[in-house]
Amino acid sequence: GAGVSQSPRYKVTKRGQDVALRCDPISGHVSLYWYRQALGQGPEFLTYFNYEAQQDKSGLPNDRFSAERPEGSISTLTIQRTEQRDSAMYRCASSFSQSGNTIYFGEGSWLTVV
Amino acid sequence: AQTVTQSQPEMSVQEAETVTLSCTYDTSENNYYLFWYKQPPSRQMILVIRQEAYKQQNATENRFSVNFQKAAKSFSLKISDSQLGDTAMYFCAFMKTNAGNMLTFGGGTRLMVKP
Repeated sequence: GAGVSQSPRYKVTKRGQDVALRCDPISGHVSLYWYRQALGQGPEFLTYFNYEAQQDKSGLPNDRFSAERPEGSISTLTIQRTEQRDSAMYRCASSFSQSGNTIYFGEGSWLTVV
Repeated sequence: AQTVTQSQPEMSVQEAETVTLSCTYDTSENNYYLFWYKQPPSRQMILVIRQEAYKQQNATENRFSVNFQKAAKSFSLKISDSQLGDTAMYFCAFMKTNAGNMLTFGGGTRLMVKP
């Protein structure tokens, strides 16, 4: 596609529910990243993939968070048993390769846990 | 671990004037990349400018330029002829080379361009 596409753009969920956020990277981009951005702060790294392989998940805050990219294209970030502190914008990004390339961000998915 | 600091939470500038946003970073790496991203009210994340640490020449993109001082670990953004559309949050970001393109962001500077 022309840009990084994320869905849903807005999600309100009740505490304790599971949510799945989807990312469709730019066509041909090998690397895919997930970031989380709280209001008024800069994005924080969560995890990234090269093709289907998860290369680094050191930024995932706890084991309620997981991500997958089974076919090396679309990725899903799943948050289980959501808590209010999970409320944030979740941004996906992609780049052509894993070394020194510009990263392009999607418009993000706003998650509100009530 | 790398850290990126933006010491100016908010700034304002009159339309058509010039403004400089500050960014400092801490790293033990010798080769890396630095970026400025713009986040307008729409919350998009737009790349403004990029600098490779091995290049001595400061990057420029139209009205945007940087002052990269490697020894001082400083990377400021200058916006010339400010326009109302420049109103946004600006984030400075650091990327190690050969480390998966992961970005470390500063806390951001909110810039308001006044008519």
